[in-house]
Amino acid sequence: DVQMAQSPSSLAASLGARVTITCQASQDIGKSLNWFQQKPGKAPKVLIYDASTLETGVPSRFSGRGSGTFFTFTINSLQPDDVATYYCQQYDYLPTFGQGTKLEIK
Amino acid sequence: QLVESGGAVIQPGGSLRLSCAASGFTFGHYTLHWVRQVPGKGLEWVSLINYNSTDKYYADSVKGRFFISRDNSRNSVYLQMNSLSTADTAFYYCALSRFDYWGQGTLVIVSS
Repeated sequence: DVQMAQSPSSLAASLGARVTITCQASQDIGKSLNWFQQKPGKAPKVLIYDASTLETGVPSRFSGRGSGTFFTFTINSLQPDDVATYYCQQYDYLPTFGQGTKLEIK
Repeated sequence: QLVESGGAVIQPGGSLRLSCAASGFTFGHYTLHWVRQVPGKGLEWVSLINYNSTDKYYADSVKGRFFISRDNSRNSVYLQMNSLSTADTAFYYCALSRFDYWGQGTLVIVSS
């Protein structure tokens, strides 16, 4: 199985701040990586696929980078609506998720 | 749209079948997944089935107990869950192949 080490597990940032979450894969997964946003009581929503491609309709303040084993997810100019838990997920083989990052406003 | 059903409270050792009904796309062309989430915890991929049921895969945690199937004539995918334990308590979601569409989830509670 491919293990995904996501960090941090939680963070608090100020409105307008830049926030970065990282995900490290236990083996090379190329660019086979999704980033999801999940709000309480809702299903996850994909924001980024193929490591860096923005899903249609997702605001451009969200971005993703990386390939191989190291990936980053960035929110530029944090908004109140961004409060959520974020997950990375690899799909190079059988899918596995990172542990999640709970994002709050400071 | 994906709509799950079948969640219930069930005793340990019991069995349950979840269903996921799809609409709005050509169901028979796509791989479908089941993903679960213990309330307040992270996401765990459970199983997938390809478009014509020739490929089925399972997470180690459910292998030999859970079985995925689909009926393309009914636009539905199923998860048969056997030998349930308290560790299987979770919301169960079905999701489309790229995880770009998800259902709303159905809650399975395994408790005596």
